[in-house]
Amino acid sequence: DSGVTQTPKHLITATGQRVTLRCSPRSGDLSVYWYQQSLDQGLQFLIHYYNGEERAKGNILERFSAQQFPDLHSELNLSSLELGDSALYFCASSEGQIQETQYFGPGTRLLVL
Amino acid sequence: GENVEQHPSTLSVQEGDSAVIKCTYSDSASNYFPWYKQELGKGPQLIIDIRSNVGEKKDQRIAVTLNKTAKHFSLHITETQPEDSAVYFCAASRGTYKYIFGTGTRLKVLA
Repeated sequence: DSGVTQTPKHLITATGQRVTLRCSPRSGDLSVYWYQQSLDQGLQFLIHYYNGEERAKGNILERFSAQQFPDLHSELNLSSLELGDSALYFCASSEGQIQETQYFGPGTRLLVL
Repeated sequence: GENVEQHPSTLSVQEGDSAVIKCTYSDSASNYFPWYKQELGKGPQLIIDIRSNVGEKKDQRIAVTLNKTAKHFSLHITETQPEDSAVYFCAASRGTYKYIFGTGTRLKVLA
């Protein structure tokens, strides 16, 4: 158990809908990262937050957004969902923002029908 | 652009044999190389990592070697067991938030 928690574990929704995925980092970790893992693909970095502030964006679609709250938990919002958004979404956390090992949560499996 | 190539994509070994997974990175400024194990239905779990000032690191049956000149690093698992069956990902980082992941190796240990 990495200490990173994610809810929900599974999510089934329809195209055009909006969902929110939640992540709680390990105790003491200030950084949260979001990744997308599609079938037969590796882990694609989406976005990084450090202590409430956005630090970097990767291959994140404009329909997706995230935020990190004062208690350091983070939410990833996915809107106008498309079939191709079906994937595993992982959150990871680390103590700082550079040269730090990232610890992954168990993921949220999103299925868009 | 930056990328990490990982080979093989699948690997089957007999229980007790060794397994080797290789990764090659393109960014010569990379200085941190973690390896993750992902079991079915779970998130990636860090199993070992190495920094660029070290050539080799061991942890029981797992070892990682780094060749900075050739820009490649390898994961070695000795005395494989059925519970080693999983997908393994390598990653490279230049010491920032950004990890570039390999495409994964599905390891099957046959009993």
